[in-house]
Amino acid sequence: EIVLTQSPGSLSLSPGERATLSCRASQSVSSDYLAWYQQIPGQTPRLLIHGASSRATGIPDRFSGSGSGTDFTLTISRLEPEDFAVYYCQQYGSARITFGPGTKVDIK
Amino acid sequence: EVQLVESGGGLVQPGGSLRLSCTASGIIFSSYAMSWVRQAPGKGLEWVSSITGSGGGSSYGDSVEGRFTISRDNSKNTLYLQMNSLRAEDTAMYYCAKGLRPTYFYGMDVWGQGTTVAVSS
Repeated sequence: EIVLTQSPGSLSLSPGERATLSCRASQSVSSDYLAWYQQIPGQTPRLLIHGASSRATGIPDRFSGSGSGTDFTLTISRLEPEDFAVYYCQQYGSARITFGPGTKVDIK
Repeated sequence: EVQLVESGGGLVQPGGSLRLSCTASGIIFSSYAMSWVRQAPGKGLEWVSSITGSGGGSSYGDSVEGRFTISRDNSKNTLYLQMNSLRAEDTAMYYCAKGLRPTYFYGMDVWGQGTTVAVSS
């Protein structure tokens, strides 16, 4: 099973600041199969990025994804109040889907 | 608008069984893979199982393989999860999620509101 590690575990930032979230895989992941989700407390998860760098429908362009192999990054260029949430990366590989443990982004 | 509505959750004793359902609307159901993802209280997301659009292929997480069975009825636009030999650690909110494509490799773009499963004596 491919294990995903996310760092940092939590991040305290102010609105307008840039957030950089990391997702590292225990073995190489196809970029096609790497996705990022946002979950606001009390709400269901929302797909942000698929294929490592493609924004899902309706996702603002302040969200961007990059990376390949074992290292992937989600960047939020300028945090808006509604962006404070938990972010999960997810991959498909070896006939299994796994999620990372999440990075919590909260207001400083 | 695409909608997914889960049902079938509840309180069950350890060793018991439940069948979850997820009914989809607003999509050509057979064109998309579907998945179940769960979230224990205060915890992160855990993938449970996925099935291809045709229903011909499926996969399971290690913690549920051999106890849970995923299936779908494309004529009824409905996804199922048969859960047997339930354990306390299966207690969670169970979400139904739609895949981006007929195979389940590419991410899940629509999620239901979830149904709660509690396993306790």
